[in-house]
Amino acid sequence: DVKVTQSSRYLVKRTGEKVFLECVQDMDHENMFWYRQDPGLGLRLIYFSYDVKMKEKGDIPEGYSVSREKKERFSLILESASTNQTSMYLCASSSPGTGDGYTFGSGTRLTVV
Amino acid sequence: SQQGEEDPQALSIQEGENATMNCSYKTSINNLQWYRQNSGRGLVHLILIRSNEREKHSGRLRVTLDTSKKSSSLLITASRAADTASYFCATVLFSNRDDKIIFGKGTRLHILP
Repeated sequence: DVKVTQSSRYLVKRTGEKVFLECVQDMDHENMFWYRQDPGLGLRLIYFSYDVKMKEKGDIPEGYSVSREKKERFSLILESASTNQTSMYLCASSSPGTGDGYTFGSGTRLTVV
Repeated sequence: SQQGEEDPQALSIQEGENATMNCSYKTSINNLQWYRQNSGRGLVHLILIRSNEREKHSGRLRVTLDTSKKSSSLLITASRAADTASYFCATVLFSNRDDKIIFGKGTRLHILP
């Protein structure tokens, strides 16, 4: 019963390419999030969205953009991929105020060469 | 904006022993959550403890919360090889639109057969 699905487990892209990471949730959650996870740095919030077509910058938004055209889908876009964007990317969703915790996808390991 | 900090960073114990991980934080919270992450995968929500609770159990998991000391502990009893993973605490503060959740950097737990 997969609830948050990330489109790719592994991805290899070239420097300068435009990269799309897709995330879909089937729990009707209002909030969706994109994190990157790097050794020694933990999880860092890139962007989040609390409603369709709404987005907020997280702690490290530079070099990224997002799109939320439908409630269930939250896309992370690397406009021009760079090697320092090689990382594990994690999508999550939640319902605010319930405190039920986040539901995470399985992650996408992106390598930029 | 790191809040939760886990201690120790890494822990190796023999199968069957109990594993204890600690988390300290700095500001007020509404609840604290623990997550588990298997290598190369997303995070899985384990347990949530609210700020007015002191202890909570779920199977072999026991979580305590001391709001006066701003600390929490996760105890895994009778550890198994399958418990090998990274464990993260996350502090949550409710707001109007989104729950501000901050993850620690995690404890890497290794269960020795």
